[in-house]
Amino acid sequence: DADVTQTPRNRITKTGKRIMLECSQTKGHDRMYWYRQDPGLGLRLIYYSFDVKDINKGEISDGYSVSRQAQAKFSLSLESAIPNQTALYFCATSERPGLAGALIYNEQFFGPGTRLTVL
Amino acid sequence: SQQGEEDPQALSIQEGENATMNCSYKTSINNLQWYRQNSGRGLVHLILIRSNEREKHSGRLRVTLDTSKKSSSLLITASRAADTASYFCATAPKGGSEKLVFGKGMKLTVNP
Repeated sequence: DADVTQTPRNRITKTGKRIMLECSQTKGHDRMYWYRQDPGLGLRLIYYSFDVKDINKGEISDGYSVSRQAQAKFSLSLESAIPNQTALYFCATSERPGLAGALIYNEQFFGPGTRLTVL
Repeated sequence: SQQGEEDPQALSIQEGENATMNCSYKTSINNLQWYRQNSGRGLVHLILIRSNEREKHSGRLRVTLDTSKKSSSLLITASRAADTASYFCATAPKGGSEKLVFGKGMKLTVNP
């Protein structure tokens, strides 16, 4: 079974609709992230969470909100979807940094992605 | 905003050849990571190199890091058709609150 799962995998919706994308992980990681990927732009960070009580805005948080319901679950909401939010959305997780003389930031583990189309 | 910039943006080679991808970045880093993405799928971590390391190997992968030039390279030796994918470098900036900053990626095509 996949360690990081996302639902739905594909979604087509209309402008103005509220959409929720869900992410679950079985890796036991504290850190969770939401990214969007657009052709030619790489991945951009939307929100991230270091634990259930810690939520932080990323590079492009406008138009999005998140909820960290439990250590294993992190959902992304589009309150009123618009066409330029059409993109591939990824959830990712990571362990808290290790300490070996200095903080060592760890690799991130990605879910399979949700392809969202807003008409 | 992107910090890493991969070069070239696209590379097409024959199976068995080596593939070299370069990444340049702008600010001081904690570490630099390389990821692979098969078409339409999630990214998969390949290798991490810390700021105090200069070279690292993992199987057919070799990564170098030159912090004075703020650049890294990823070498895939003896490429296979299955290596066809997009490759991203990601930097963990110092003082960056554990956030990774991804480049735009580059497309590698390995022809059988």
